[in-house]
Amino acid sequence: GAGVSQSPSNKVTEKGKDVELRCDPISGHTALYWYRQSLGQGLEFLIYFQGNSAPDKSGLPSDRFSAERTGGSVSTLTIQRTQQEDSAVYLCASSENRPLEQYFGPGTRLTVT
Amino acid sequence: AQSVTQLDSHVSVSEGTPVLLRCNYSSSYSPSLFWYVQHPNKGLQLLLKYTSAATLVKGINGFEAEFKKSETSFHLTKPSAHMSDAAEYFCVVSGSYSNSGYALNFGKGTSLLVTP
Repeated sequence: GAGVSQSPSNKVTEKGKDVELRCDPISGHTALYWYRQSLGQGLEFLIYFQGNSAPDKSGLPSDRFSAERTGGSVSTLTIQRTQQEDSAVYLCASSENRPLEQYFGPGTRLTVT
Repeated sequence: AQSVTQLDSHVSVSEGTPVLLRCNYSSSYSPSLFWYVQHPNKGLQLLLKYTSAATLVKGINGFEAEFKKSETSFHLTKPSAHMSDAAEYFCVVSGSYSNSGYALNFGKGTSLLVTP
């Protein structure tokens, strides 16, 4: 079946611009996670959705980051006024909300110039 | 809080020889532990998982890991390395449910190089 998909696969943007990253989870998976993979920080957790709600947004790096999930499916991670330190691969994962494996998408590589 | 430490940032083996990637974990309760692999420019793929069942866990592509509570370790092994095993390997821990769901805590990764 279809896995987790993310778009775009690559995004180059100028410093100060806003970007939107999209994640389409596996159908039926109620839990959705965003992670960031960068050279300096490794892989770090950003935010979790159970259905449409995110119980805790404190993992987001700054208030320029926001995320939403609509219809219990697609999620969008938005970064406003991008900075060079936002350059990273943004990964999305979905699961059945049990401590089992999370299925990862291919990621969006964001480059801020 | 839970965390993992991967003891080697780089491991180099010859094709056909055993692979050992070391991981120690820290957790105040019984953790769920995973190994993920990431090939160059590819997504993360689950190799195997431990969730308090059998302590010796078998995964895909001939990989195994043994959960040793007394040593707080979860080392990844494979009897014979293939060239296709060259990749970045992540040891990962997940704790009990919280406001972060079952968010994964990743180790820094071990880069495995396989030489002919």
